[in-house]
Amino acid sequence: AQRVTQPEKLLSVFKGAPVELKCNYSYSGSPELFWYVQYSRQRLQLLLRHISRESIKGFTADLNKGETSFHLKKPFAQEEDSAMYYCALNAGNMLTFGGGTRLMVKP
Amino acid sequence: GAVVSQHPSWVICKSGTSVKIECRSLDFQATTMFWYRQFPKQSLMLMATSNEGSKATYEQGVEKDKFLINHASLTLSTLTVTSAHPEDSSFYICSAKRETGNTEAFFGQGTRLTVV
Repeated sequence: AQRVTQPEKLLSVFKGAPVELKCNYSYSGSPELFWYVQYSRQRLQLLLRHISRESIKGFTADLNKGETSFHLKKPFAQEEDSAMYYCALNAGNMLTFGGGTRLMVKP
Repeated sequence: GAVVSQHPSWVICKSGTSVKIECRSLDFQATTMFWYRQFPKQSLMLMATSNEGSKATYEQGVEKDKFLINHASLTLSTLTVTSAHPEDSSFYICSAKRETGNTEAFFGQGTRLTVV
């Protein structure tokens, strides 16, 4: 069975500092991984997916199959990045979410 | 972009009554819709996967008779919480995937259910 782990429930950084939100997964097949973001009082929305290898809002994430990780990174955090971030694994037709990490960017 | 709408956004009901939550894909056809439950400060837990025209697939531990799911069309899935109890109070979220094979899921805004 697939599993997604986000070890940090809360990550607090100062504005301008680098950010790394950790995500590890376990899945026997070929994984398809996503990062979703939920801003305050808004619905969950897709931030990026590993297939497209794009950078959204300055965030990037690289799939490391050897370490089974898909960490989300941003070199300089902004206050508007404060939100809940969920790592998710698509296996078959099911999306499994990690526990989520709340990112707080302090001024 | 694709829009998924849930109705109602918030519902308060008496214990013992049934509540229906609708999930609609407004501008695309969704062969598959998912229902999640989110407890305060916790992640989303998948309850069931529904495919249009067939029975829903429930996750382990989710009572089929309590959480009735109907995916009657390519744009509508409903979740009915039957004989609701206070412990059913939660945030219920649906998501939908396009039928074109795109694996991206689009989420509704969620429905807050409060059972008193």
